[in-house]
Amino acid sequence: DTEVTQTPKHLVMGMTNKKSLKCEQHMGHRAMYWYKQKAKKPPELMFVYSYEKLSINESVPSRFSPECPNSSLLNLHLHALQPEDSALYLCASSPLGLAGTDTQYFGPGTRLTVL
Amino acid sequence: DQQVKQNSPSLSVQEGRISILNCDYTNSMFDYFLWYKKYPAEGPTFLISISSIKDKNEDGRFTVFLNKSAKHLSLHIVPSQPGDSAVYFCAARLTGNQFYFGTGTSLTVIP
Repeated sequence: DTEVTQTPKHLVMGMTNKKSLKCEQHMGHRAMYWYKQKAKKPPELMFVYSYEKLSINESVPSRFSPECPNSSLLNLHLHALQPEDSALYLCASSPLGLAGTDTQYFGPGTRLTVL
Repeated sequence: DQQVKQNSPSLSVQEGRISILNCDYTNSMFDYFLWYKKYPAEGPTFLISISSIKDKNEDGRFTVFLNKSAKHLSLHIVPSQPGDSAVYFCAARLTGNQFYFGTGTSLTVIP
């Protein structure tokens, strides 16, 4: 199984809603990532979890709250978002192998629209 | 500030010819470089990578070249096929698994 799955595929939410994005992988990878991608822009790193611990937070606003309940699952909890947060949210995982050889595998993304 | 740049937003190539996609970076601390292919409404798909200690890596029709002194890498696809039409992103890694992506190049292979 070389797949990273993300649910839901599409999400529309109001600015007062609370919702969660889910990401799952069963490749035994020990690093998981959240990226945000706006149209015609590159993916931007938001969070990195290594061995289920948050290792990198790229100064993301607190209305985005990541959670890694176990080595296969990564959640992104959303609360009080703004319309400018509308984007494609990508999850990725990587083995955390030998230095210089770690490769990320991406899920299909969740298309989020904030009204 | 964009640390990884792809200066060509688009590229068109005839089927069977070589496609060359370029990427420049500014941070000499990057230790690992990757190329991804992306179709609309899908996540990026890993293509090929290269460690900073190497200058070339080949996998089938795909070859990545790294010129550390110029802080430049390129992806060669030969022969190009219509199915290669997609957006290609280069990415670079800092220790700690911080990955930075370029702005992407849209490749169109003309049959």
